[in-house]
Amino acid sequence: ETGVTQTPRHLVMGMTNKKSLKCEQHLGHNAMYWYKQSAKKPLELMFVYNFKEQTENNSVPSRFSPECPNSSHLFLHLHTLQPEDSALYLCASSQEGTSGPQETQYFGPGTRLLVL
Amino acid sequence: QKEVEQNSGPLSVPEGAIASLNCTYSDRGSQSFFWYRQYSGKSPELIMSIYSNGDKEDGRFTAQLNKASQYVSLLIRDSQPSDSATYLCAVNTDKLIFGTGTRLQVFP
Repeated sequence: ETGVTQTPRHLVMGMTNKKSLKCEQHLGHNAMYWYKQSAKKPLELMFVYNFKEQTENNSVPSRFSPECPNSSHLFLHLHTLQPEDSALYLCASSQEGTSGPQETQYFGPGTRLLVL
Repeated sequence: QKEVEQNSGPLSVPEGAIASLNCTYSDRGSQSFFWYRQYSGKSPELIMSIYSNGDKEDGRFTAQLNKASQYVSLLIRDSQPSDSATYLCAVNTDKLIFGTGTRLQVFP
């Protein structure tokens, strides 16, 4: 496997279900991101992890819970979601330095989530 | 509110023409700028990155940055039907902010 992988690619869940999205990067990067992409809206940054530490939580509801066990893996745990949470969830990774411009982010294929 | 603005389109150009995509941003402290291409149902893929004022060319693609005017553009020469996609502009200050994207249609 190369690049950034995400599983599952498609997910349908009820509002009472609990599920998890998985992301794995094979690029040796030290930062990972979760984004939400809804129709007609720009990509929304949800969470950022640098060196396994969460550095950003963009006012995301607590029904979304991220986990980063190591620099290569990122999870998004979902529980009691709402229909408006239906969207494409994208994982990305980058190699962050201590100074200078942020490096390029590389995206996984995404998980298309439908909440019924 | 830090913003990145793009015309949603669609921008329609004939095959072989130059497609010009524009993006403006609000934060003067922005340091790095990216263009991503996103095909329908797929994830964004990087086309170009640019950090300094001026032009940067890569094959049929040219990115142009003007920090004084706070705009960044992407030119696609010899447009092909396979270039039909949504092009996302992304601007970084302390985090990456994306525009809503411009949908490009290249017709034969």
